Amino acid sequence: ETGVTQTPRHLVMGMTNKKSLKCEQHLGHNAMYWYKQSAKKPLELMFVYSLEERVENNSVPSRFSPECPNSSHLFLHLHTLQPEDSALYLCASSGRAGSGANVLTFGAGSRLTVL
Amino acid sequence: GDSVTQMEGPVTLSEEAFLTINCTYTATGYPSLFWYVQYPGEGLQLLLKATKADDKGSNKGFEATYRKETTSFHLEKGSVQVSDSAVYFCALSDYTSGTYKYIFGTGTRLKVLA
Repeated sequence: ETGVTQTPRHLVMGMTNKKSLKCEQHLGHNAMYWYKQSAKKPLELMFVYSLEERVENNSVPSRFSPECPNSSHLFLHLHTLQPEDSALYLCASSGRAGSGANVLTFGAGSRLTVL
Repeated sequence: GDSVTQMEGPVTLSEEAFLTINCTYTATGYPSLFWYVQYPGEGLQLLLKATKADDKGSNKGFEATYRKETTSFHLEKGSVQVSDSAVYFCALSDYTSGTYKYIFGTGTRLKVLA
């Protein structure tokens, strides 16, 4: 499979649940990103990993915990979320974090609903 | 800080109409500029890009010119099709505070009617 694959595509969870989102890329990229997409708001960058090291964390609440075990996989662990965390979570990858002309390749997203 | 502002939607057009979606930016450095498109149920896809002033990006009949003097990167298409219905995001990538950042606008929804 090519491109950026995200699972699950849809997730409904209660505020006390623990779940994880998974992202996988087969593009040979070495940088991966988590974005949050909410209605009528700009995309919010949550985390950036370059060569499996976190290079940016945009003051995301600790109830979101990323993990990047290798350059092809990225996880977002979720626990004790709030209803306002309901959104589309997009994973992206790029060839090299830090290149202004580089293009982000996005997955289709995981639609999260917190009850 | 850096920012991207694009026109609010939805923009509703008839098939074969001319399209313009305005995008302006503020940046302290020399950003690269992008338009991404998001079709229903999908992630964002790169539509076109420009890396320096006066560059024109083009793809699938869409065009945008990097205008440094007006800090703009407006998206245009001469004749839209129903299949162009999607959400369009303007974005920049810039080097600030020791790191590169990608910043997106809020998106503009385009509806094309047959």
